[in-house]
This record gives sequence, C-alpha cells and structure tokens, in this order.
Amino acid sequence: QVQLQESGPGLVKPSGTLSLTCAVSGGSISSTNWWSWVRQSPGKGLEWIGDIFHSGTPNYNPSLGSRVTISVDKSKNQFSLQLTSVTAADTAVYYCASLEYSSTSGLSYFAYWGQGTLVTVSS
Amino acid sequence: DIQMTQSPSSLSTSIGDRVTITCRASQHISDYLNWYQQKPGKAPRLLIYAASRLQSGVPSRFSGSRSGTDFTLTISSLQPEDFATYYCQQSYNTRGLTFGGGTKVEVK
Repeated sequence: QVQLQESGPGLVKPSGTLSLTCAVSGGSISSTNWWSWVRQSPGKGLEWIGDIFHSGTPNYNPSLGSRVTISVDKSKNQFSLQLTSVTAADTAVYYCASLEYSSTSGLSYFAYWGQGTLVTVSS
Repeated sequence: DIQMTQSPSSLSTSIGDRVTITCRASQHISDYLNWYQQKPGKAPRLLIYAASRLQSGVPSRFSGSRSGTDFTLTISSLQPEDFATYYCQQSYNTRGLTFGGGTKVEVK
C-alpha cells in the first residue's frame, strides 16, 4: 500500500516561504491518484490546500490565492508544497495525502495520509 | 465553495451507545461524501466513501447514509477505540474540496 512521508523545516519566519516535500513509497506517483496537501491549525479542523496530478495539473484552494504552489518530481517519486508570505495563521500540521480518483464514477477520497508535520511560523 | 455543516460539534456518550453524526451540504453533491476518523496526534483515517461504502478494514458498526443534502454517519454500538473526532468531506467539487468542522465524540 502507498506510504507517504512529509519532510521540511518545522519553523518558518513571518513573510517567508514554507516548503515541504512528500515522499511516496509503495506506489508510483504516475498512478491515477491526485497528490494532495491538507493542513490543520492547532485545535482546528481540516483544510484542503490543493492537489496535483502526475502530469503537473494542479488545483488550489481559492482562499490561499496565489501564495500556494504544488509540484511533482516524478524522478524522485515525490511532490512538494510551497506557501509564500506566511503569517502566524499558517501555523499548522501539514499532511500530504493521496486522493484516489475514479474517472468512471467520479468518486474520490483521501485513501492514504502521511503522519503530518508541524510547521510553526514565528520569528 | 460548497459548505459542509456538521452537527453536533461534540457529543458525550457511553460504550455500547448508538451514535449519529450529521453533515449537511450547502448544495446538491449527490453521493460524493466521505467520512474520516481522527485521533489525537494522528492523521485522519478513511471510514466511509461515496456516502455509504465502507472502506476495507473498517468495522461494520460504522455505516453511512444520505437523504438529499443531509448525510449521516452512524456507529451502531460505540467501542472504546471509537472515541475520536469525525469529519465529513465533499468530493463533488474536485477543484474545491471541503471538510465539515468536525464532531468530537467524548466519553460521558
């Protein structure tokens, strides 16, 4: 089964750029899945950040505007998140997840998740 | 965006009780509704997809149903390991996935 592992700095300065990578194992990033990022602010609910297909077509949460970029590196079987101009409101546990999608039924769901990584925005 | 409204936000219950959690979509989403369970410090776990389909490995005491834009997650007989927070998530708009606010199931 697919396993996901996030990595990246746990502390980012205000106005800086948050950068995380998710390594995919047990499956190919070139599968039919969409590769996603979801975050959870301390004590709060889940927020979808965006996702990407292996061909490089991304979808982003409109609430994050142009601050977010998700990319795929097929050679390393991993995908990445960049969030620019961060503030304290971006402090959260960031999860990478695989969104299984069926083109015949249109159904999709987050089947596999990484363990999550806490990113704190602070000077 | 499609808004997902969960109720209640928390509930206190006992082992063996029947538990019902509701999620209402702000518009028609057909059966594109998933349920997840999250325990403290852990990633969410998929329980139900497509409103009523049980994910492999999930106990049969969990079930899901739909009536219009209202969705229900039912735990038929609560077990100790079921104390957790539950989230619904719509996948109708794949360019704007959204979650409900969560329901925390606590011990009475």
